Parts: sequence; C-alpha cells; structure tokens
Amino acid sequence: QTVVTQEPSLTVSPGGTVTLTCASSTGAVTSDYYPNWFQQKPGQAPRALIYSTNNKHSWTPARFSGSLLGGKAALTLSGVQPEDEADYYCLLYYGGALPVVFGGGTKLTVL
Amino acid sequence: QVQLVQSGAEVKKPGASVKVSCKASGYTFTTYALHWVRQAPGQRLEWMGWIKADNGSTKYSQKFQDRVTITRDTSANTAYMELNSLKSEDTAFYYCARSDFSYWGQGTLVTVSS
Repeated sequence: QTVVTQEPSLTVSPGGTVTLTCASSTGAVTSDYYPNWFQQKPGQAPRALIYSTNNKHSWTPARFSGSLLGGKAALTLSGVQPEDEADYYCLLYYGGALPVVFGGGTKLTVL
Repeated sequence: QVQLVQSGAEVKKPGASVKVSCKASGYTFTTYALHWVRQAPGQRLEWMGWIKADNGSTKYSQKFQDRVTITRDTSANTAYMELNSLKSEDTAFYYCARSDFSYWGQGTLVTVSS
C-alpha cells in the first residue's frame, strides 16, 4: 500500500520561514509525481496552492513556494503570516490502480 | 468564474445509500474530469475516484470499488457520487474537485448514524 508521509505538526514564528515535506513510501519523489500542495482551514474545503512541483496558481501568495528537496516534495513559506495557520496537504500522482494519494497533512501553527 | 456547487448535508442509516451531486459552472464541463475526495473528521483527504466528463469513463480507488458509483449528466453540467452499504465509518465530508485539483466544491457532510 502506497503511503505519503508529512510532518504531523510544525510551529513557526510570524515572519519566519518553514519548510514542509512530502515523502513517498515507494522511494524518492520526482517531478514525475506532479506534487501538489493544498491549504485547508477549519470548516473549509482545501484550497490549491502549488501544482506540478513548483507552479503557483494565480491566487497563491508569493511567500509560498514548492520544490524537490532530498528526495521529497517540499513547500516553503517565507515571511509567515498569522493567517497561514492551517493544515497543509500534499498530493502525489502515481497512476495505475491508485492514481492519486494524499499525504497525512501537516498542522502548521504560527506562534 | 469556476464554481463547483455540491448538494446539501445528508443523514443516513447504516446500510443505506447516499448520492451527492456536484454542479459545475464557469468552464466547459466536458473539458475536465472530476474527482471525488472524502475526509472523515480529523482525518486525511482520501481519493475515491474520478469520472471523465466527456465520455463518462471512471476509475475508482480499490478501497471503494465495490460500493461507489460516479456518474455525470452533461446536460446539467453535474457529476454524482453514490456510495452504498453505508457504515458509521463513512461519516465524512465528501468533496468534488476538478481534474487539476485547482477548484473544489464546498463539501457535503454525510452522517451515518442509527
């Protein structure tokens, strides 16, 4: 069974920088997995932030960036704002019988 | 603007079925597939399946393969997800999302309780 793993929780100070990662049980994450990142606040649907590793949507704030880091997909927030406190989910595309797998999510606290 | 608007909350008894709709607007419906994703309380997002809006072909997660049916009505720009043999563990928010995951519905809470 394919498992996608994220840090369960991270804490960052306002104005700081934090990197969230997304690992695959099948091995190194590459651009062929088309990593996506989503933000979800309580009571809301997920909101797309990043697609295909490092591409931003038109509504994605400039402080969010995506990359590949040490065999994982990564989401970096630079100059964190209080409103960035949320759950963040990654998604990887695998194809085959289970084309799409979400990570377990990272709860980001801004403190 | 692109919108995906889902049907309202449902309360069902164990063993029953539920059918959730997702009406698309702001783009050509048949250009994109639609995914269905669920999220149980406090749990991760879980992909259930998708439907290609142009030809109606589907693919389901093996976990739900025996209980889920995804359909679409191109005349109504609407996709549907029906889940059968409901159990209490199926209590969750159910979301539709466009194939590129750029746009999501607002979610539909399905509660399964006797």
